[in-house]
Parts: sequence; structure tokens; C-alpha cells
Amino acid sequence: DVKVTQSSRYLVKRTGEKVFLECVQDMDHENMFWYRQDPGLGLRLIYFSYDVKMKEKGDIPEGYSVSREKKERFSLILESASTNQTSMYLCASSFSGGAYGYTFGSGTRLTVV
Amino acid sequence: QKEVEQNSGPLSVPEGAIASLNCTYSDRGSQSFFWYRQYSGKSPELIMSIYSNGDKEDGRFTAQLNKASQYVSLLIRDSQPSDSATYLCAVRAGKSTFGDGTTLTVKP
Repeated sequence: DVKVTQSSRYLVKRTGEKVFLECVQDMDHENMFWYRQDPGLGLRLIYFSYDVKMKEKGDIPEGYSVSREKKERFSLILESASTNQTSMYLCASSFSGGAYGYTFGSGTRLTVV
Repeated sequence: QKEVEQNSGPLSVPEGAIASLNCTYSDRGSQSFFWYRQYSGKSPELIMSIYSNGDKEDGRFTAQLNKASQYVSLLIRDSQPSDSATYLCAVRAGKSTFGDGTTLTVKP
């Protein structure tokens, strides 16, 4: 069963901590994405990657960075966690080209206290 | 104006009725259109994709696309309580842009 796996379902971190969210896909997808989803704000794109070692800023990249050293793995890094980064984080992947939809991971609910 | 707009919800229909979900988009260069279903507390799941003008049917679901009018719709026939979810419209030109979603409740 093909899937996108996010390392943690729930995570609680303290303000100022460096936080790593991991995402692994087994579908040989070229494209990978990180979103956050908040009530009333919909899905907001943080960063995306079209290929290994490539990254592009999305709509809300401030306070985040990413790493893609291998095709199957895309990591989201919160450099110094803040309470306004409390959210549901969703990783997604797809084949390249506009004809493909996304496969989402199950999400990580991050709470920053 | 948002790039992708969905009809404001929530939408409530009785079991067995047709649910109609609508979406408009602003980028005329968009080529691919998708509908995702998101159950409460879960992640979005791709349920329909459409690329050409007209209708595309998959079981009880029909996606409709009209590029000239820049709208996409999703019809759910014989709605079931298990269809109760938030439905996200997405338009892809490179990366996907998502609407905010319409929450559908199907009442038994």
C-alpha cells in the first residue's frame, strides 16, 4: 500500500526549541510539499521541493526551513518554535507534471507551549 | 480575490439527496482540477480529478468542468451519512492551490 508517512502524529514542544518534522514517501514521487492547516485559514503552503536538494518557498516560509537530501524524504524544520506555530502540519507528495493529484500523510499535530 | 473559491458552507442535505459543491478559480492557465475529501481529524484524500471540459463520473461522484466560466463542481448522488466531510477543491498549474473547503453534512 503506497503511502506518505509522517514521523509523529502528535508532538508537544517548548518555545524556542528546534523542531524536526519528517516525511517519507514510498511512491517514487518527485514533488513533495509541506502545508499547515488551521481552522478558518485552510491549507497554507510552507515549502515545496520538485527534486532532491531543491526547495522553493511557499506562501508562509517565515520561521521554517526544509531539507531534501534523498528523493523519498522531506524534512520540515522549525528553527525556533513559537506558539503561533501550533498547528496541524501536512506533508504531501506527487509525480511531477500538473496532471497529478497529491497524496497526503496523516499529519502531525504540533503544540508549542 | 482568492485564487480558488468554494461556495461557503456548511451544506446540509438529507440522505439520498444530491449534494452540489462548487468552486471557481482565477488562473485561466490552470489545466488540472481536483477534489479532495477530508474527514474530521484526518488528512485530505484525493477523490476526483478532471482535466477536460464536461463531466467525469466515478460511482456516485461526478466532477464537472467549465474552463470558459472557470468553475468546477462536484455532485454527489444518493448522498450517504458517510459522505459527511469537508471537500476541498484544488487547481494545479505547477503546484496546487486549494480552496478553503465546503463542509457537507448528510443527515439520516
